[in-house]
Amino acid sequence: GAGVSQSPSNKVTEKGKDVELRCDPISGHTALYWYRQSLGQGLEFLIYFQGNSAPDKSGLPSDRFSAERTGGSVSTLTIQRTQQEDSAVYLCASRSQSSYNEQFFGPGTRLTVL
Amino acid sequence: KQEVTQIPAALSVPEGENLVLNCSFTDSAIYNLQWFRQDPGKGLTSLLLIQSSQREQTSGRLNASLDKSSGRSTLYIAASQPGDSATYLCAVEGGSEKLVFGKGMKLTVNP
Repeated sequence: GAGVSQSPSNKVTEKGKDVELRCDPISGHTALYWYRQSLGQGLEFLIYFQGNSAPDKSGLPSDRFSAERTGGSVSTLTIQRTQQEDSAVYLCASRSQSSYNEQFFGPGTRLTVL
Repeated sequence: KQEVTQIPAALSVPEGENLVLNCSFTDSAIYNLQWFRQDPGKGLTSLLLIQSSQREQTSGRLNASLDKSSGRSTLYIAASQPGDSATYLCAVEGGSEKLVFGKGMKLTVNP
């Protein structure tokens, strides 16, 4: 079956612009996660959705970052007024409801802020 | 705060060797531990998940063990091949649903 998909695969933007990153989870997966992978920091958790609600937003680095999920499916991560330190690979993962199941990752979106 | 460590950061071996990759974590209160593989420019591929009540999991040439009390996991790769070259990441999940990752180990298997 189809895995987690993300778009765009690459995004180059200018400092100060807003960007939207999209994640399509595996069909039927109720939990969705956003992570960020950067050279200096490794892989870091950003936010977690259960259905359309976000019980844990603790990893969002600033109020420039926000995310939403609609219909219990697609999620969008928005970064406003991008900064050069936002450059990273943004990874999305999903899994079925149980905490004992694997998280399945998408291919990521590579964001470059010039 | 949970911290996950993978040492060494990189390893280069000749083809055919049996390998042991190490992962340690500071808080033993985990739900599960997951090993991933990442190829350059790609996302993460899940290799094995060990639930907290389990001691090991096997998939093909891969075997992962978990010792919660000592905060350690090992990934054993038998008869390594050049196609095994990748970065291997260990991640643990506690009660907060999120995965906490190590920084990974870059493996190069030379033909």
